[in-house]
Amino acid sequence: EVQLVESGGGLVKPGGSLRLSCAASGFTFSSYSMNWVRQAPGKGLEWVSSISSSSSYIYYADSVKGRFTISRDNAKNSLYLQMNSLRAEDTAVYYCARQRADFDYWGQGTLVTVSS
Amino acid sequence: DIQMTQSPSTLSASVGDRVTITCRASQSISSWLAWYQQKPGKAPKLLIYKASSLESGVPSRFSGSGSGTEFTLTISSLQPDDFATYYCQQYNSYPETFGQGTKVEIK
Repeated sequence: EVQLVESGGGLVKPGGSLRLSCAASGFTFSSYSMNWVRQAPGKGLEWVSSISSSSSYIYYADSVKGRFTISRDNAKNSLYLQMNSLRAEDTAVYYCARQRADFDYWGQGTLVTVSS
Repeated sequence: DIQMTQSPSTLSASVGDRVTITCRASQSISSWLAWYQQKPGKAPKLLIYKASSLESGVPSRFSGSGSGTEFTLTISSLQPDDFATYYCQQYNSYPETFGQGTKVEIK
């Protein structure tokens, strides 16, 4: 059974940093591109970042470019999102999602709250 | 960036109704479109991929159609479990954008 479990969310002050993790199981992690998608409270879905299976290709939304860094460790079946210079508008539930082309499996999400 | 526009934003319907949601892309995305269902407090669930392919395990009352810039999601006979918010997503090019969502409410 495919499972994606996010962790690392929490309350952080504006300008602070946080590192999210996504632990994958039930599939060959190293064969799939992975993504982070976020959802601000009461709002829609926003794609954040994508990383290819071997980390050769990485993409970011303009809203996070230069502040967030996506990475993965295929030996540990894990996906990461390093978030720096956090802003109030980064407050959201962050989901990791497996990319088949579409996003066929999603984690349950981890809440990031940026507030003083 | 490709903009995705869904209509309507909210839809009130009754059990048994046929429901159609439209998604328009600001430029052609061929058939690289997915539909997701999301319930409150839960992660999105893939329903339709490549515009019209039904994801495994998804009831056959869900169907998708369209190509290019105009797409539809149809629920042939709305069931109580279908009251949720639905999102389209283009994966033709980065950034992979979502529509703003359509909330299907009980009439």
